[in-house]
Amino acid sequence: GESVGLHLPTLSVQEGDNSIINCAYSNSASDYFIWYKQESGKGPQFIIDIRSNMDKRQGQRVTVLLNKTVKHLSLQIAATQPGDSAVYFCAEPAPSGTYKYIFGTGTRLKVLA
Amino acid sequence: NAGVTQTPKFQVLKTGQSMTLQCAQDMNHNSMYWYRQDPGMGLRLIYYSASEGTTDKGEVPNGYNVSRLNKREFSLRLESAAPSQTSVYFCASTTGQASDTQYFGPGTRLTVL
Repeated sequence: GESVGLHLPTLSVQEGDNSIINCAYSNSASDYFIWYKQESGKGPQFIIDIRSNMDKRQGQRVTVLLNKTVKHLSLQIAATQPGDSAVYFCAEPAPSGTYKYIFGTGTRLKVLA
Repeated sequence: NAGVTQTPKFQVLKTGQSMTLQCAQDMNHNSMYWYRQDPGMGLRLIYYSASEGTTDKGEVPNGYNVSRLNKREFSLRLESAAPSQTSVYFCASTTGQASDTQYFGPGTRLTVL
């Protein structure tokens, strides 16, 4: 999601429930997407990726869905745990040849006990 | 494998002092990056090195210099620190191939007084 200044969008979820975090991207030619998790005071950690020839990819308790029609990514976390509390953001390589990446500002996930 | 390592973890400088942030990766990656992250904001690219022997400016290069010492190491130098450079600095690396994941270091938390 979009963020303005210091105010990251926050998703509060009860422990044990499923979480869905969304991300919109702008480049319709993008062919690769990454989700990162960033815990407080730590560096971004790779969670899962997906290529544009797929609509869905599953990992351990996480699933990424890609809707190319509306240029939308979502990260689903099953049975959310306290350790899932973090900022989650999506990323994609910038247009070919630039070696750069485009990062979303992120969504803060708070897990309620 | 340690992945991407950064030193120091924390640093406090006075305005006008200089320092070098060190980064090393042991994944045989070609491309390396320096980002800064300010509270509630996304990652902003300072400089990157697409391959050994090359460096290029990112979106916020002013006040910084970099050196790609060898394939493993990429350092970031602040010649005359300013309070506006108070931030968390992350180094990252990737193979350099299109559509590949960036891996991040743990970060350096810099405060300039």
